[in-house]
Amino acid sequence: KQEVTQIPAALSVPEGENLVLNCSFTDSAIYNLQWFRQDPGKGLTSLLLIQSSQREQTSGRLNASLDKSSGRSTLYIAASQPGDSATYLCAVASPNDYKLSFGAGTTVTVRA
Amino acid sequence: SAVISQKPSRDICQRGTSLTIQCQVDSQVTMMFWYRQQPGQSLTLIATANQGSEATYESGFVIDKFPISRPNLTFSTLTVSNMSPEDSSIYLCSVGPTTSYEQYFGPGTRLTVT
Repeated sequence: KQEVTQIPAALSVPEGENLVLNCSFTDSAIYNLQWFRQDPGKGLTSLLLIQSSQREQTSGRLNASLDKSSGRSTLYIAASQPGDSATYLCAVASPNDYKLSFGAGTTVTVRA
Repeated sequence: SAVISQKPSRDICQRGTSLTIQCQVDSQVTMMFWYRQQPGQSLTLIATANQGSEATYESGFVIDKFPISRPNLTFSTLTVSNMSPEDSSIYLCSVGPTTSYEQYFGPGTRLTVT
């Protein structure tokens, strides 16, 4: 069974600092890895998706890397803003049935 | 991308009653999933609902408690039956993978059982 771990559980930084969020998974046989953002009481917004054959994906201030062999992904958020405050979830898709296994999330607070 | 709506957005229900949650997608999709997010927890998959076949449930979830319908390629329902306070959660539907390989989520239904 795929186990997904996210470290740290919570992070508080001053505005302008870069954020580094870590995700690890136990089974390297994955279809893809997706990073989501969740605001309190809301649904999930897809941020970045990395296919199993890719090493990196970028969108604006966000960059995600994937090292499948070591079971790790990192989400970098450059020049953080108070609007980046949210919970960030990492999810790994199974190659057989596309089911997502989620980490517990990292709750980010960016202080103005 | 896929745009997903859910009804109701929230509800407060009494113990022992049932609630049916609807999930509507703006395009035809093969695979739909139902997740539960208990307070302060991450998401847990309840079941996979593919059109034309019975839903498949994850360990710890049973059809009698969470019956699912998938009548066509754009719609699904999840019923939470004989509710107890432990069923208080956010229930989310998702679709995918889409042509962009992503999975997309609905806004969720926040259920409180008293």
